[in-house]
Amino acid sequence: KAGVTQTPRYLIKTRGQQVTLSCSPISGHRSVSWYQQTPGQGLQFLFEYFSETQRNKGNFPGRFSGRQFSNSRSEMNVSTLELGDSALYLCASSPTPDRGRQKTQYFGPGTRLLVL
Amino acid sequence: AQSVTQLGSHVSVSEGALVLLRCNYSSSVPPYLFWYVQYPNQGLQLLLKYTTGATLVKGINGFEAEFKKSETSFHLTKPSAHMSDAAEYFCAVSAGGRRDNDMRFGAGTRLTVKP
Repeated sequence: KAGVTQTPRYLIKTRGQQVTLSCSPISGHRSVSWYQQTPGQGLQFLFEYFSETQRNKGNFPGRFSGRQFSNSRSEMNVSTLELGDSALYLCASSPTPDRGRQKTQYFGPGTRLLVL
Repeated sequence: AQSVTQLGSHVSVSEGALVLLRCNYSSSVPPYLFWYVQYPNQGLQLLLKYTTGATLVKGINGFEAEFKKSETSFHLTKPSAHMSDAAEYFCAVSAGGRRDNDMRFGAGTRLTVKP
């Protein structure tokens, strides 16, 4: 099976712009989570989507949003970019998170965003 | 709520020496525990996981970890370090069995392997 893919891999934007990142989960996985990774804050959970619905959300401002499509592909959007948004954005997919089953997440290579 | 503490942001070992990366967790429910490895400019790769059952878990690349409930620990070990083990390692915990659980990661431990 192909792994989680993320596009683009690298991105340079300027302050005030917006950006959209894309994630294609492993075939058959319906849950997609997004994380922000920075040297100072480490890995921080952004949000999780399952069946096109946001199930869980981390502590990020409303400038960060996401969505999931019927084919389980997901996008995240960051509006009005700030310098502090420079980070590696990781997407992870997992199988249907039914009650009682473990939630192993499989990560993509990430999108490295640089905000100038 | 769950949380993870990784003791030591940097660990340096010689090639062939024992690798020990420490992880302590806090969870109000029985936890699921994970170790991930991240190589430069890459995403996270799952090394091993503990859900239920046997407390000694074997993973890829010769790594293993032991779940010790009494010590709330899930330390990662490898008997003999290889140069290719140099990477950043993350311990993570999730609330097993809950529909709305999310995974919490430790701050990471950077492993350096000296020749």
